[in-house]
Amino acid sequence: GENVEQHPSTLSVQEGDSAVIKCTYSDSASNYFPWYKQELGKGPQLIIDIRSNVGEKKDQRIAVTLNKTAKHFSLHITETQPEDSAVYFCAASTGRRALTFGSGTRLQVQP
Amino acid sequence: NAGVTQTPKFRVLKTGQSMTLLCAQDMNHEYMYWYRQDPGMGLRLIHYSVGEGTTAKGEVPDGYNVSRLKKQNFLLGLESAAPSQTSVYFCASSRTDSEQFFGPGTRLTVL
Repeated sequence: GENVEQHPSTLSVQEGDSAVIKCTYSDSASNYFPWYKQELGKGPQLIIDIRSNVGEKKDQRIAVTLNKTAKHFSLHITETQPEDSAVYFCAASTGRRALTFGSGTRLQVQP
Repeated sequence: NAGVTQTPKFRVLKTGQSMTLLCAQDMNHEYMYWYRQDPGMGLRLIHYSVGEGTTAKGEVPDGYNVSRLKKQNFLLGLESAAPSQTSVYFCASSRTDSEQFFGPGTRLTVL
């Protein structure tokens, strides 16, 4: 089955700096790669996703890049703000089955 | 719209007791999922359903059973709880292979 590895497990940045979280996946049939943000005591919430026919997608301060050949994808957050502090999860799916999640990255943005 | 709701929010069980977690969604989604979240391990799929009356095993199905008698509800049962089932349980729903919407979670402790 699919295996998703996520790095780093914790990330601390200064407000205004950029943050990058990286994931690798094992199943070449995976074609859907979402990123979720989880705040304390809440369920995960989708912040951005990308499909395998696209190499990059951007939504305001958040961008995701996908390298199908290397089987890795990354989340980029620019101009970080304290409210970006949360746990971020990457995931992968072949499209007709449920998601396989990475182990999560705890992002802390220092004011 | 309430989205995805879960009942109960918290529960403490003794080893060997049984219980049922209820998930309900009002978005007319076909797919529903149950995940468990443990520290440092991300979310792992327990069981999922691709439509009313159908269920399938996920990554960690042992010790759990599910039922999807109505499209809007997905029940997760523990017949004989064990301390290893102490976790936070999340339900999610989606339209086919699109964004998954998560509930607020149920924190279960088995003593």
